[in-house]
Amino acid sequence: TQLLEQSPQFLSIQEGENLTVYCNSSSVFSSLQWYRQEPGEGPVLLVTVVTGGEVKKLKRLTFQFGDARKDSSLHITAAQPGDTGLYLCAGGSQGNLIFGKGTKLSVKP
Amino acid sequence: NAGVTQTPKFQVLKTGQSMTLQCAQDMNHNSMYWYRQDPGMGLRLIYYSASEGTTDKGEVPNGYNVSRLNKREFSLRLESAAPSQTSVYFCASSNLRASNQPQHFGDGTRLSIL
Repeated sequence: TQLLEQSPQFLSIQEGENLTVYCNSSSVFSSLQWYRQEPGEGPVLLVTVVTGGEVKKLKRLTFQFGDARKDSSLHITAAQPGDTGLYLCAGGSQGNLIFGKGTKLSVKP
Repeated sequence: NAGVTQTPKFQVLKTGQSMTLQCAQDMNHNSMYWYRQDPGMGLRLIYYSASEGTTDKGEVPNGYNVSRLNKREFSLRLESAAPSQTSVYFCASSNLRASNQPQHFGDGTRLSIL
């Protein structure tokens, strides 16, 4: 059974701080996606990474896929209250997605 | 620009009752999915439909049935609801069923079984 472990589970920081959240597995994934989910809404895709070692940037968010395609990280620079939400990673497996349990981020003004 | 629409948004049922959750997408996507999201468990795939006319079991299919009514619509049915099925249910769609394809989610149905 393929599993994705996300850490930390909860993170509460002040506006302007930097943070990194992690997504780890013992399995290799063909691709990895990051989603953000706000209360009362469905997840919204942020990025897809498909190549080992790939780095993608989305404004203040930097995503990295591990060389062995077993792990990924999301780094946020100068966090803002609008970054608050549940961050989910999802690994591609045989056409479907396996989701991690998420990191719940709270950014306080 | 609706995307994926789920109805109802909220529902309370008694144990043993049945109900159907509706999902429709307007993006002309081929593949559709039903997930449940529980605290501490993340999103788990219940059923999926890779294309119109096909459906397959996901990770947690027991107690559920699905119907791919046409390309736009994919419904989830609980025949005899149980308290363990209390959850938030999300429908999603993607252009193709492939691991690197983004999935577009509805805003969920919050279901409580008493």
